[in-house]
Amino acid sequence: GNSVTQMEGPVTLSEEAFLTINCTYTATGYPSLFWYVQYPGEGLQLLLKATKADDKGSNKGFEATYRKETTSFHLEKGSVQVSDSAVYFCALSAASGGSYIPTFGRGTSLIVHP
Amino acid sequence: DAGVIQSPRHEVTEMGQEVTLRCKPISGHNSLFWYRQTMMRGLELLIYFNNNVPIDDSGMPEDRFSAKMPNASFSTLKIQPSEPRDSAVYFCASTRRASGSAGELFFGEGSRLTVL
Repeated sequence: GNSVTQMEGPVTLSEEAFLTINCTYTATGYPSLFWYVQYPGEGLQLLLKATKADDKGSNKGFEATYRKETTSFHLEKGSVQVSDSAVYFCALSAASGGSYIPTFGRGTSLIVHP
Repeated sequence: DAGVIQSPRHEVTEMGQEVTLRCKPISGHNSLFWYRQTMMRGLELLIYFNNNVPIDDSGMPEDRFSAKMPNASFSTLKIQPSEPRDSAVYFCASTRRASGSAGELFFGEGSRLTVL
């Protein structure tokens, strides 16, 4: 079956530090890949996505590149801010019988200190 | 455009009581998902619907849980009787299932359930 593995947190950084959150996946076929972000007390919201190999998704200074050869979709940001403190979920969506079935990782908590 | 709307946002109840959580998906979306989130187990898919029809309920923990989608704009998740281990945040999410769609989900803000 499909699965997503992401690094365990929490990840604790100082403001303006470089961020990497690793994500690898297993899937049949050609999934779309996503990063969602969950701020305290809120639901998940899409941060960025990539739908085919070598695509780069980007938003709010975050980037991730769909690497089919390494089955990875690592999240990066060059300079984090305190407001980036949240839980980040890597996910894939793969077609199954006409539906797109989402699979989520466990989430990685990011804490950014001033 | 309104997002996914869930109610209630918070529910505190006693063990044995019936709990009903409600969800209004985004207009035009034809797939709806119910998730449960806990610290121990993370985000779990409970059930999902396509065009109001339940497709996969294998994630529903046990018979105490049931979900319905009587029309395209409304779904309920019911727990009867509730138990303390059901305490969690329950999320509803919707998407537009269509050829070429990447399957991006739109989440509600969640219903935080506490069973005493």
